[in-house]
Amino acid sequence: AQSVTQLDSQVPVFEEAPVELRCNYSSSVSVYLFWYVQYPNQGLQLLLKYLSGSTLVKGINGFEAEFNKSQTSFHLRKPSVHISDTAEYFCAVSGNTGFQKLVFGTGTRLLVSP
Amino acid sequence: DTEVTQTPKHLVMGMTNKKSLKCEQHMGHRAMYWYKQKAKKPPELMFVYSYEKLSINESVPSRFSPECPNSSLLNLHLHALQPEDSALYLCASSQERGPTGELFFGEGSRLTVL
Repeated sequence: AQSVTQLDSQVPVFEEAPVELRCNYSSSVSVYLFWYVQYPNQGLQLLLKYLSGSTLVKGINGFEAEFNKSQTSFHLRKPSVHISDTAEYFCAVSGNTGFQKLVFGTGTRLLVSP
Repeated sequence: DTEVTQTPKHLVMGMTNKKSLKCEQHMGHRAMYWYKQKAKKPPELMFVYSYEKLSINESVPSRFSPECPNSSLLNLHLHALQPEDSALYLCASSQERGPTGELFFGEGSRLTVL
């Protein structure tokens, strides 16, 4: 079974500052890793995913994440945030076989203030 | 068209009512999902349909009854619900049914059970 830990429930940051949202996973098999964003009163949208290959993954809206197998981490970063990035961010993991059964972390609320 | 449309957006029902949630996508996706999201919690998988057949039921109580009438539609029939079933119900679809695919989410149906 897979699991995901997002230690930070909330991350406040000022506009144009860099941000890192932390994600650690646990699995006995190789996994696929995802970051989804949920804006207020909306569904989730895929930011980026790691399947294989280069450990640095670039996504939409200027976000990127780095897969680190030795530290079992998949932290999300953005060099300069905007007010519009205020949202809930979910890290998720799926196993490498079968159907798409995403297991989500508990989420990190990113609060960007002017 | 990359939308997943869910209706109704809000639903209030009593414990003896029967109601249905509807989900529609026209992206040609052959896998469709129901997730349940309680307030300030991550989404939890309920059901997966693949090629209009129920493939995964995550031990969901029988008061929730999914139905996939065709490849574009997914319903969730609700009967004799409990107040603790109040949540945001998210529908999603994916082009691939395997573990690497991106899920496209609707905005959800917010259910309140009185």
